[in-house]
Amino acid sequence: QSVLTQPPSVSAAPGQKVTISCSGSSSNIGNNYVSWYQQLPGTAPKLLIYDNNKRPSGIPDRFSGSKSGTSATLGITGLQTGDEADYYCGTWDSSLSGWVFGGGTKLTVL
Amino acid sequence: QVQLVQSGSELKKPGASVKVSCKASGYTFTSYAMNWVRQAPGQGLEWMGWINTNTGNPTYAQGFTGRFVFSLDTSVSTAYLQISSLKAEDTAVYYCARVSVTSGAFDIWGQGTMVTVSS
Repeated sequence: QSVLTQPPSVSAAPGQKVTISCSGSSSNIGNNYVSWYQQLPGTAPKLLIYDNNKRPSGIPDRFSGSKSGTSATLGITGLQTGDEADYYCGTWDSSLSGWVFGGGTKLTVL
Repeated sequence: QVQLVQSGSELKKPGASVKVSCKASGYTFTSYAMNWVRQAPGQGLEWMGWINTNTGNPTYAQGFTGRFVFSLDTSVSTAYLQISSLKAEDTAVYYCARVSVTSGAFDIWGQGTMVTVSS
């Protein structure tokens, strides 16, 4: 059971928009920055969003992040088949004194 | 370019030990902490802990104490994960991941090392 809760799967058609939620508590998301990672099939995770809503160099602006209270959201617009992947949220948990990840969300682009 | 290159897949018998390496290049190794993350087959990411690359001081997450050891060889910019008394449930892909100084996020990941424990 992950400390951060994500939906197991989401789906949408090419060109559409999708959001992925990540729910936590005051000991993690509520008081720490959230980052998001994309894991394409058979590859290592890749940083997509850091500090709740910042994109590393090279990440297209189709990807966005937001945070409100103890929840965070990843948004992806203009969906492409190449976006099919597992997406994970992560943050520091002050109570556990450790990093925690969500259980991951599988994105299917129909 | 900045990258982390891990050692190759391992097949071990229960009770054996394994040592996974993670070689950094393209940046100053001791300027960034190194984390280890486990991903069991078909499962999500699980943070194992981190090592301070300046002091060599490791911190282990709950569930990763005792049989798991993080170490460094700064002369070759390499971090290591050693697992002893291997069990079938240790079968997983193990990733090293650099922590960004500015954000605390894992900005660079190794390609992963598959460790299979089977008799």
